[in-house]
Amino acid sequence: QSALTQPRSVSGSPGQSVTISCTGPNSEFGGNNYVSWYQQHPDKAPKLLIFGLTRRPSGVPDRFSGSKSGNAASLTISGLQPEDESDYYCCSYAGNTWVFGGGTKLTVL
Amino acid sequence: EVQLVQSGPEVKKPGESLKISCQGSGPSFTSYWIAWVRQLPGKGLDYMGAIYPGDSSTRYNPSFQGQVTFSVDTSNDIAYMQWGGLKASDTATYFCARGRTIDFYYMDVWGKGTTVTVSS
Repeated sequence: QSALTQPRSVSGSPGQSVTISCTGPNSEFGGNNYVSWYQQHPDKAPKLLIFGLTRRPSGVPDRFSGSKSGNAASLTISGLQPEDESDYYCCSYAGNTWVFGGGTKLTVL
Repeated sequence: EVQLVQSGPEVKKPGESLKISCQGSGPSFTSYWIAWVRQLPGKGLDYMGAIYPGDSSTRYNPSFQGQVTFSVDTSNDIAYMQWGGLKASDTATYFCARGRTIDFYYMDVWGKGTTVTVSS
């Protein structure tokens, strides 16, 4: 069982915004620099979406944004598109180890 | 463009040994951690541990300590993960990923995964 908890599923219609939460003890989050998010389509490798809590790698649309409040990190996807339907994982680095959240399945209605 | 190319699918019997690989293309293979991540069928991502090719330092997730061994061949920029005796519960897809650990901590380049099936 992951130390980072995500909702099993979320859904939204095209054009809407959805937020995926990732909660855990502060000890698991390390610092803001340690939080990242990944997108994984079926039978594909994970893809980095967000690092350092809020930073996007080159090529990731600005529809994807990260934030944190207290012991909860969040990924917000604005202007949902059909291709956003995927699994999303939060990840943090603490104690010289990475830990992933359990993953959230996003359905675009 | 940096890529990690993983070895092909494997079908093994319980008790057999296995070594899978992850070859880096592009510069600075020895300057980043190579992490290994397991994904059981239909399940989430599990961090197994990592190896630093620069000095072959290893860090194992306690859940996987003693179950797998990481190694590296820096002459050919290849990282390996091996099992001494596979179990049916090792059936999974295994990803390698480049771990960044300066200023920010994340995995930015991923291999496509190696599917391992263990069945009698």
